[in-house]
Formats: sequence, C-alpha cells, structure tokens
Amino acid sequence: NAGVTQTPKFQVLKTGQSMTLQCAQDMNHNSMYWYRQDPGMGLRLIYYSASEGTTDKGEVPNGYNVSRLNKREFSLRLESAAPSQTSVYFCASAGTIVYNEQFFGPGTRLTVL
Amino acid sequence: DAKTTQPPSMDCAEGRAANLPCNHSTISGNEYVYWYRQIHSQGPQYIIHGLKNNETNEMASLIITEDRKSSTLILPHATLRDTAVYYCIVRPPDNYGQNFVFGPGTRLSVLP
Repeated sequence: NAGVTQTPKFQVLKTGQSMTLQCAQDMNHNSMYWYRQDPGMGLRLIYYSASEGTTDKGEVPNGYNVSRLNKREFSLRLESAAPSQTSVYFCASAGTIVYNEQFFGPGTRLTVL
Repeated sequence: DAKTTQPPSMDCAEGRAANLPCNHSTISGNEYVYWYRQIHSQGPQYIIHGLKNNETNEMASLIITEDRKSSTLILPHATLRDTAVYYCIVRPPDNYGQNFVFGPGTRLSVLP
C-alpha cells in the first residue's frame, strides 16, 4: 500500500497561472481532504469530500476548486494563482465515519511568484 | 476559534517520558480528543484519540481528566525520532470537515 500519494512534490508558478494538484489513496477510504499549511502555522482545511460525488468547502476555500474524480482521487485546482497561495498543500483520507482518523500524504510545496 | 490550548514548545530528554498537555475547557459532550504529530516537512501522522476513558496504543497513551477539560499525551520512552510538532484537536464524530482544526501545536524537542 502506498497510502496517500500527491503529485507534484514541488511547483513554482507565476501569478495568474493555473495548475492542478493531484491526490490519490489506495486504502479504499470514503472521505478525502485538502489542507494548506503556511510557514509556522497549523493546517487549514480548504475543501473536503465526504464520499465519491460530493465536495464541500472548508475553512479557506476561496481561490480553489476541487474534483472528486472517483473514490481514489481528489484533485485541487488553482485557476489563477496568487502569491498568497504560496504554501504547502496536504491531501488526506479517512476510512472510518465515526472517528475520522485521517492519513496524510507527503505534501506539495507550491511557490507563486 | 481555537478549541484547544497547548504550550508552544517543550523539551524532553531521550529515554524519558514526554508528557504533552492540552486544555480544552469548552469541549462538548460528544467531542473526541485527537492527537496528531508532524515531523519536519512531512504530513501529519495520527497518534491516538479518546472520548473520556484513558487510551493506549503502540505509540502513546492518552489521559483525559474526569471533567474532560484537559488531557495529556504521554510518549513513554521518547526517542530523537519523536521530535515533532504535536497537535491536540477536539471534534465531534460523524463530522467530515467542519471543526477539524489544526492549531499551532506543541513543538517537542527530544534532546540526547
């Protein structure tokens, strides 16, 4: 089991460019999540998907869109990147409905110039 | 609004027990206490969770006070690899996204 995988690991964008961060899990989990972590800060939830076919906003959704492509994959899109979106992005998945222990990917380090 | 309060940093000698406190005085009756840790630059790692009883697994023990207003995560024999930021989180069950808030956590340094 690879667990939760994310691509790319690093990315540099110019302001206004778009890109999609990919996330996949092989644990047959129903729910998936996207977080961002700014330097020295805790994680903040961007979007989540409780199950295949559903997505909901988290704490900081502005400037992002998501797609739950299937049960395994959950992508995060930046349509017009801004320097304020420079951050480390983590994807997570959870299998149990009640306790929701989340398993995290290794992260994508994004810099927007 | 932060629902938990943790000290920003702590030191622990290698081989000794590390006791990480967390205050959650406004915890609701159905909210669980979760602990995660984040080793430098990696994704957070789930450690343990509990409701009101003390819990133990292969990684750690969780002690929750009787009034549930605070808890302590115990790493019984800390190693250098336990150096990380530890997050205490309270959240209700059956709630996929809302209220699962990672605050600044406690930076634990295990010293040789």
